[in-house]
Amino acid sequence: GQNIDQPTEMTATEGAIVQINCTYQTSGFNGLFWYQQHAGEAPTFLSYNVLDGLEEKGRFSSFLSRSKGYSYLLLKELQMKDSASYLCAVRERDKLSFGAGTTVTVRA
Amino acid sequence: EPEVTQTPSHQVTQMGQEVILRCVPISNHLYFYWYRQILGQKVEFLVSFYNNEISEKSEIFDDQFSVERPDGSNFTLKIRSTKLEDSAMYFCASRPGTSDPYEQYFGPGTRLTVT
Repeated sequence: GQNIDQPTEMTATEGAIVQINCTYQTSGFNGLFWYQQHAGEAPTFLSYNVLDGLEEKGRFSSFLSRSKGYSYLLLKELQMKDSASYLCAVRERDKLSFGAGTTVTVRA
Repeated sequence: EPEVTQTPSHQVTQMGQEVILRCVPISNHLYFYWYRQILGQKVEFLVSFYNNEISEKSEIFDDQFSVERPDGSNFTLKIRSTKLEDSAMYFCASRPGTSDPYEQYFGPGTRLTVT
Protein backbone atom coordinates (compact mmCIF):
# COMPACT_ATOMS: atom_id res chain seq x y z
CA GLY A 1 0.00 0.00 0.00
CA GLN A 2 0.97 3.62 0.01
CA ASN A 3 0.79 6.59 2.31
CA ILE A 4 1.57 10.01 0.91
CA ASP A 5 1.13 12.97 3.25
CA GLN A 6 1.20 16.66 2.53
CA PRO A 7 -0.35 19.63 4.32
CA THR A 8 -3.90 20.49 3.35
CA GLU A 9 -3.55 24.23 2.98
CA MET A 10 -0.94 26.97 2.96
CA THR A 11 -1.26 30.72 2.56
CA ALA A 12 1.49 33.10 1.50
CA THR A 13 1.96 36.64 0.26
CA GLU A 14 2.71 37.63 -3.31
CA GLY A 15 6.49 37.72 -3.83
CA ALA A 16 7.20 35.41 -0.91
CA ILE A 17 8.52 31.84 -0.83
CA VAL A 18 6.51 28.79 0.16
CA GLN A 19 7.74 25.26 0.84
CA ILE A 20 5.34 22.34 0.53
CA ASN A 21 6.49 19.17 2.24
CA CYS A 22 5.59 15.64 1.25
CA THR A 23 6.37 12.43 3.10
CA TYR A 24 5.73 9.04 1.62
CA GLN A 25 5.73 5.37 2.47
CA THR A 26 5.16 3.26 -0.61
CA SER A 27 5.78 -0.34 -1.57
CA GLY A 28 7.86 0.71 -4.57
CA PHE A 29 9.65 3.87 -5.68
CA ASN A 30 10.55 4.89 -9.20
CA GLY A 31 10.56 8.64 -8.75
CA LEU A 32 8.59 11.51 -7.26
CA PHE A 33 6.59 14.06 -9.21
CA TRP A 34 5.05 17.39 -8.36
CA TYR A 35 2.01 18.50 -10.30
CA GLN A 36 0.00 21.74 -10.18
CA GLN A 37 -3.77 21.56 -10.43
CA HIS A 38 -6.07 24.55 -10.76
CA ALA A 39 -9.65 23.95 -9.69
CA GLY A 40 -11.58 21.94 -12.27
CA GLU A 41 -8.53 21.43 -14.47
CA ALA A 42 -6.05 18.67 -15.20
CA PRO A 43 -2.82 18.24 -13.26
CA THR A 44 0.16 19.79 -15.04
CA PHE A 45 3.72 18.62 -14.54
CA LEU A 46 6.08 20.77 -12.48
CA SER A 47 9.06 18.66 -11.51
CA TYR A 48 10.51 15.19 -11.12
CA ASN A 49 13.11 13.73 -8.78
CA VAL A 50 14.46 10.21 -8.90
CA LEU A 51 17.82 10.77 -7.20
CA ASP A 52 18.47 12.55 -3.91
CA GLY A 53 19.04 16.25 -4.12
CA LEU A 54 17.61 19.45 -5.49
CA GLU A 55 16.18 20.01 -8.95
CA GLU A 56 15.71 23.64 -9.95
CA LYS A 57 13.37 24.79 -12.67
CA GLY A 58 12.90 28.54 -12.80
CA ARG A 59 10.83 29.70 -9.81
CA PHE A 60 10.14 26.11 -8.76
CA SER A 61 12.58 23.73 -7.08
CA SER A 62 12.03 20.25 -5.73
CA PHE A 63 14.09 18.24 -3.29
CA LEU A 64 14.16 14.53 -2.57
CA SER A 65 15.59 12.37 0.21
CA ARG A 66 14.84 8.73 -0.55
CA SER A 67 16.23 7.47 2.78
CA LYS A 68 13.83 9.76 4.67
CA GLY A 69 10.89 9.29 2.32
CA TYR A 70 10.69 13.05 2.03
CA SER A 71 10.35 15.66 -0.67
CA TYR A 72 9.54 19.32 -0.83
CA LEU A 73 8.47 21.74 -3.51
CA LEU A 74 9.76 25.28 -3.18
CA LEU A 75 7.88 28.08 -4.91
CA LYS A 76 9.77 31.37 -5.08
CA GLU A 77 8.61 34.87 -6.01
CA LEU A 78 5.01 33.84 -5.60
CA GLN A 79 2.51 35.24 -8.07
CA MET A 80 -1.26 35.35 -7.81
CA LYS A 81 -1.51 32.77 -10.60
CA ASP A 82 0.35 30.29 -8.37
CA SER A 83 -2.81 29.90 -6.29
CA ALA A 84 -3.63 26.25 -6.96
CA SER A 85 -3.42 22.77 -5.53
CA TYR A 86 0.03 21.13 -5.57
CA LEU A 87 0.07 17.38 -5.80
CA CYS A 88 2.89 15.14 -4.66
CA ALA A 89 2.91 11.84 -6.58
CA VAL A 90 5.10 8.78 -6.23
CA ARG A 91 5.77 6.63 -9.25
CA GLU A 92 5.39 2.97 -8.26
CA ARG A 93 6.21 0.69 -11.16
CA ASP A 94 4.47 2.77 -13.83
CA LYS A 95 1.50 4.19 -11.96
CA LEU A 96 1.35 7.46 -10.07
CA SER A 97 0.05 7.43 -6.50
CA PHE A 98 -1.03 10.91 -5.47
CA GLY A 99 -1.22 12.68 -2.18
CA ALA A 100 -4.38 14.61 -1.37
CA GLY A 101 -2.81 17.87 -2.51
CA THR A 102 -1.86 21.13 -0.82
CA THR A 103 -4.01 24.14 -1.64
CA VAL A 104 -1.83 27.23 -1.82
CA THR A 105 -3.51 30.61 -1.61
CA VAL A 106 -1.43 33.61 -2.62
CA ARG A 107 -2.58 36.92 -1.12
CA ALA A 108 -1.74 40.37 -2.41
CA GLU B 1 2.37 22.01 -28.32
CA PRO B 2 0.67 18.60 -28.62
CA GLU B 3 -1.81 17.75 -25.91
CA VAL B 4 -4.08 14.97 -24.72
CA THR B 5 -7.72 15.57 -25.59
CA GLN B 6 -10.82 14.06 -24.02
CA THR B 7 -14.47 13.94 -24.99
CA PRO B 8 -17.03 14.70 -23.80
CA SER B 9 -16.08 17.34 -21.26
CA HIS B 10 -19.19 16.52 -19.22
CA GLN B 11 -21.33 13.40 -19.33
CA VAL B 12 -24.54 12.90 -17.40
CA THR B 13 -25.95 9.40 -17.25
CA GLN B 14 -28.47 7.41 -15.27
CA MET B 15 -27.45 4.69 -12.84
CA GLY B 16 -27.10 1.35 -14.60
CA GLN B 17 -26.32 2.84 -18.00
CA GLU B 18 -23.12 2.22 -19.93
CA VAL B 19 -20.77 5.10 -20.67
CA ILE B 20 -17.71 5.38 -22.88
CA LEU B 21 -15.19 8.07 -22.18
CA ARG B 22 -12.88 8.92 -25.03
CA CYS B 23 -9.32 10.12 -25.12
CA VAL B 24 -6.86 10.95 -27.86
CA PRO B 25 -3.35 10.65 -26.42
CA ILE B 26 -0.40 12.57 -27.84
CA SER B 27 0.45 10.95 -31.14
CA ASN B 28 3.90 9.46 -30.53
CA HIS B 29 3.15 8.31 -26.99
CA LEU B 30 3.21 4.63 -26.12
CA TYR B 31 1.87 4.41 -22.57
CA PHE B 32 -1.70 5.30 -21.65
CA TYR B 33 -3.51 5.73 -18.34
CA TRP B 34 -6.84 6.47 -16.77
CA TYR B 35 -7.19 8.20 -13.40
CA ARG B 36 -10.21 9.50 -11.60
CA GLN B 37 -10.78 12.22 -9.03
CA ILE B 38 -13.93 12.26 -6.96
CA LEU B 39 -14.86 15.83 -6.04
CA GLY B 40 -12.70 17.07 -3.20
CA GLN B 41 -10.59 13.91 -3.09
CA LYS B 42 -7.22 12.85 -4.42
CA VAL B 43 -6.41 11.67 -7.91
CA GLU B 44 -6.60 7.86 -8.05
CA PHE B 45 -4.99 5.50 -10.54
CA LEU B 46 -7.33 3.20 -12.45
CA VAL B 47 -5.37 1.48 -15.19
CA SER B 48 -2.27 1.59 -17.36
CA PHE B 49 -2.09 0.30 -20.93
CA TYR B 50 0.87 -0.51 -23.13
CA ASN B 51 1.34 -2.50 -26.31
CA ASN B 52 -2.41 -3.13 -26.58
CA GLU B 53 -2.82 -4.67 -23.18
CA ILE B 54 -3.41 -3.66 -19.59
CA SER B 55 -0.10 -3.47 -17.74
CA GLU B 56 -1.48 -2.61 -14.32
CA LYS B 57 -4.86 -1.92 -12.73
CA SER B 58 -6.09 -0.82 -9.34
CA GLU B 59 -8.72 -2.35 -7.09
CA ILE B 60 -11.16 0.27 -8.36
CA PHE B 61 -10.86 -1.12 -11.88
CA ASP B 62 -13.22 -4.06 -11.46
CA ASP B 63 -15.20 -6.06 -14.03
CA GLN B 64 -17.44 -3.07 -14.70
CA PHE B 65 -14.52 -1.22 -16.29
CA SER B 66 -12.73 -1.91 -19.54
CA VAL B 67 -10.28 -0.07 -21.77
CA GLU B 68 -9.64 -0.27 -25.45
CA ARG B 69 -7.46 1.26 -28.10
CA PRO B 70 -9.73 0.66 -31.08
CA ASP B 71 -7.48 2.39 -33.60
CA GLY B 72 -4.17 4.18 -33.76
CA SER B 73 -5.38 7.31 -32.03
CA ASN B 74 -8.23 6.73 -29.58
CA PHE B 75 -8.09 5.27 -26.07
CA THR B 76 -11.42 4.60 -24.38
CA LEU B 77 -12.68 3.79 -20.90
CA LYS B 78 -16.00 1.96 -20.68
CA ILE B 79 -18.08 1.62 -17.56
CA ARG B 80 -20.69 -1.06 -18.19
CA SER B 81 -23.28 -0.31 -15.51
CA THR B 82 -22.66 2.98 -13.81
CA LYS B 83 -23.20 3.51 -10.09
CA LEU B 84 -23.71 6.74 -8.20
CA GLU B 85 -20.22 6.40 -6.74
CA ASP B 86 -18.70 6.46 -10.25
CA SER B 87 -19.43 10.19 -10.37
CA ALA B 88 -16.01 11.79 -10.70
CA MET B 89 -13.63 13.58 -13.03
CA TYR B 90 -11.89 11.04 -15.24
CA PHE B 91 -8.46 11.96 -16.55
CA CYS B 92 -6.66 10.27 -19.39
CA ALA B 93 -2.86 10.53 -19.47
CA SER B 94 -0.09 9.42 -21.78
CA ARG B 95 3.70 9.39 -21.91
CA PRO B 96 6.24 8.82 -24.65
CA GLY B 97 8.47 5.86 -23.85
CA THR B 98 11.16 4.54 -21.64
CA SER B 99 13.26 7.63 -21.01
CA ASP B 100 13.27 10.03 -18.09
CA PRO B 101 11.44 11.86 -16.69
CA TYR B 102 8.53 9.49 -17.32
CA GLU B 103 6.25 12.49 -17.16
CA GLN B 104 2.61 11.68 -17.72
CA TYR B 105 0.69 14.29 -19.69
CA PHE B 106 -2.88 14.67 -18.51
CA GLY B 107 -5.92 15.53 -20.58
CA PRO B 108 -8.50 18.10 -19.44
CA GLY B 109 -10.80 15.42 -18.01
CA THR B 110 -14.38 14.26 -18.45
CA ARG B 111 -16.73 15.07 -15.62
CA LEU B 112 -19.07 12.09 -15.21
CA THR B 113 -22.27 12.63 -13.27
CA VAL B 114 -24.36 9.56 -12.47
CA THR B 115 -27.92 10.30 -11.36
